[in-house]
Formats: sequence, structure tokens, C-alpha cells
Amino acid sequence: QVQLQQWGAGLLKPSETLSLTCAVYGGSFSASYWAWIRQPPGKGLEWIGEINHRGSTKYNPSLKSPVTISVDTSQNQFSLKVSSVTAADSAVYYCARASRGFYAMDVWGQGTTVTVSS
Amino acid sequence: DIQMTQSPSTLSASVGDRVTITCRASQSISTWLAWYQQKPGKAPKLLIYKASSLESGVPSRFSGSGSGTEFTLTITSLQPDDCATYYCQEYNSYWTFGQGTKVEIK
Repeated sequence: QVQLQQWGAGLLKPSETLSLTCAVYGGSFSASYWAWIRQPPGKGLEWIGEINHRGSTKYNPSLKSPVTISVDTSQNQFSLKVSSVTAADSAVYYCARASRGFYAMDVWGQGTTVTVSS
Repeated sequence: DIQMTQSPSTLSASVGDRVTITCRASQSISTWLAWYQQKPGKAPKLLIYKASSLESGVPSRFSGSGSGTEFTLTITSLQPDDCATYYCQEYNSYWTFGQGTKVEIK
């Protein structure tokens, strides 16, 4: 049974860098893509990007913020960095397994609330 | 980019009612369509994948149908526990979510 546990700083000032990490427990880390999704307060879900175990990434071309997703296969972890955050980056951030077998996100982390405020 | 449009935005129904949510894609996505349920303060939960396949452990009152550009999620007998927001999602090089449908009990 695959489980995802995520962590990172929850309160940031404008222009700082958001940094979150998601650890994968159980299952095969190399068999899937691993995604980040965010949800601004009271709004819908927005896919940020994804990565596989080889470090191959895709990002949402609609995002305005500079985003980097990286992977640490030795720890079965993947990470998200968003630089120069603004209030518009305030959201609940989720990590998830993005299955290519049936093209759906079947396992999710618990979510991390990130607030950007001066 | 593919756009996903859900309707209605909000739905109010009685316990036991049959409920249908529609998701339309701006171009054909075959059957690469998933449905999620999200309750307040919780992560989304996968209900349906490949348009009509029920995720393990999901009650059989949930079903999905459609292909191409039009898809539906049906709850055959609405239960109080089904109060939530439902999202469709497609994959076509990138992942795109619909804007969500909030289901309430009358």
C-alpha cells in the first residue's frame, strides 16, 4: 500500500522560496510519475507539474511562478520549489502519484497549507 | 491546451436521488478521464478512472460513462456521506482539472 507524507514551511513572506518535500512509502518509486497539485482557498485544483525517477519533468505551462520539481531516488522522495512567491501562491499543496497505467492520481499526500503574507 | 468544463457548478438533491454531473472536454480525450471526490479539509479521492472504471473500495452507487468529449459521473442513490465537491480530470500530455461541482443535500 503506497503512502505519501509531505512536509515543508507553511508561512512565507513575499519573494521567499516555497519548499515542500513528499516521501513515498511502499510500492515501486520507479514505476510511476509523481505530481504536485495546489488548491487556492475556496478554489479548484491546479496541476503544478510532475517528475519520474529518472528526473524527467513536466510543468504546467499556465503557471506564472518559477517552479522546480526534483527527485531523490535514494530516499524515495520528490520535492517542489516555487521561487519569488506572492500572495497568489497561497494554497494547499498536495503531492500525488500520477499513474500512467490508468491516467489518474490514485494516491495523495495529506496536503500542506502555505500562506504567503508580509 | 484542453479545457474541461463541468456542469452544474452546484447541485442540491435529496437523499436517495439519482445525481448526474457532466464534464466536457474542449477536444477529444478518448477515455482518459478520471473523477475525484473532495471533502472539506481533505485530499481528493479517486473514484473513477478511464472514464468508467471504479476504483477499488468505492461504493457501486458511483459510476462513470462517456468517451471523446462528453462524460458523466452518476450517483444512483445519493447518500449524506456523498456531500462533497467532485472534479473531473483529463490527461493529454498535461493534467487538467474541471472547475468542480459541489453536491449538497436538500
